Amino acid sequence: EIVMTQSPATLSVSPGERATLSCRASQSVSSNLAWYQQKPGQAPRLLIYDASTRATDIPARFSGSGSGTEFTLTISSLQSEDFAVYYCQKYYNWPLTFGGGTKVEI
Amino acid sequence: EVQLLESGGDLVQPGGSLRLSCAASGFTFSNYAMNWVRQAPGKGLEWVSAIIGSGGSTQYADSVKGRFTISRDNSKNTLYLEMNSLRPEDTAVYYCAKDHKASGYTYGYSLDYWGQGTLVTVSS
Repeated sequence: EIVMTQSPATLSVSPGERATLSCRASQSVSSNLAWYQQKPGQAPRLLIYDASTRATDIPARFSGSGSGTEFTLTISSLQSEDFAVYYCQKYYNWPLTFGGGTKVEI
Repeated sequence: EVQLLESGGDLVQPGGSLRLSCAASGFTFSNYAMNWVRQAPGKGLEWVSAIIGSGGSTQYADSVKGRFTISRDNSKNTLYLEMNSLRPEDTAVYYCAKDHKASGYTYGYSLDYWGQGTLVTVSS
């Protein structure tokens, strides 16, 4: 089973700053990687799929990059509504697996 | 507008059974694979199971294989998860989620729409 590892576990940033979140796969997942945002008490929301394609209605400040085993989610200028937990997920093969999450906090 | 509405969550004793449902609307249900994803209290996301649009193929996480059964009724636009031999570690919010891509032959993609979840608590 491919293991997805996210770092850091917690990222402390200020509004307006840039945030860089990492996701590493234990073996190559090609570009079959998605990023999700989850706020307390809410369901996850798809941000990025195919490693770098923004989902519908996702602001341009969110961008994804990487392929193979190393992936990055960048939030160019953090807004107050961006403070949340972010998960990566690979869909290269079964089982689908998620990373442990990165909490972005003030 | 795509909507997914889960139901059926409850408090159940260890070893018990439960059936979850997910009512879908706003898209052609039979064209999309569907998934169950769970989240234990204060923990991360864990994919549980998936079923192709036709219902003819399914996948399971090792943690639930042999105990849980995913199914769908395309005439009712409803997804199900039959859970047997429940354990305390199955306690979680269970989400149904739709595959991002329509396909009749393959499945296992990113998940673009999620329900609000239903809570399953396994405890004596």
